[in-house]
Amino acid sequence: AQSVTQLGSHVSVSEGALVLLRCNYSSSVPPYLFWYVQYPNQGLQLLLKYTSAATLVKGINGFEAEFKKSETSFHLTKPSAHMSDAAEYFCAVSDQAGTALIFGKGTTLSVSS
Amino acid sequence: NAGVTQTPKFRVLKTGQSMTLLCAQDMNHEYMYWYRQDPGMGLRLIHYSVGEGTTAKGEVPDGYNVSRLKKQNFLLGLESAAPSQTSVYFCASSYPNRGTEAFFGQGTRLTVV
Repeated sequence: AQSVTQLGSHVSVSEGALVLLRCNYSSSVPPYLFWYVQYPNQGLQLLLKYTSAATLVKGINGFEAEFKKSETSFHLTKPSAHMSDAAEYFCAVSDQAGTALIFGKGTTLSVSS
Repeated sequence: NAGVTQTPKFRVLKTGQSMTLLCAQDMNHEYMYWYRQDPGMGLRLIHYSVGEGTTAKGEVPDGYNVSRLKKQNFLLGLESAAPSQTSVYFCASSYPNRGTEAFFGQGTRLTVV
């Protein structure tokens, strides 16, 4: 069965610092992986997705993620954090049948000035 | 372009009352989903539909029913609300492809007292 584990329920960084949000996956088939962002009192917005075309995926707002099969990881990074990046971030994997996304528990990113 | 619209946005119910949450999408998506979001639990799939007239159970279906009479609408019903159903409910939709992302509504915040 497919699953994702997000390491760290809360990450705090200073403005301008590197952002690293960790996601490890388990999948019995080649995975399709997603990162979503949720701003307070809003729905989820897609940041980026991996669908096997390229291992380094660039998304919106300067975020990117690298698919590493050997480590079963899909960590999200941004070189320089901005105050507006403060939000909750979710990693997700497509289920085997392709009928739904399975989400991790989320990581809250705080950015201080 | 409205995308995915959920009605209502907020609701307070008394234990034992019933209600229906409405989700409408205008993207001609085949697949639709209902998730619930609870602190520290991420998003968990309640029910989903792969087409008009078809529904299936997700991870946490107990206490909920759904219907998809029209392709663009997906209804979530609570027949007898319980405090454990206090949550934020998200509807989403997608194309029928394992690598495609889901588009989310803005959520419904439900409190059962």
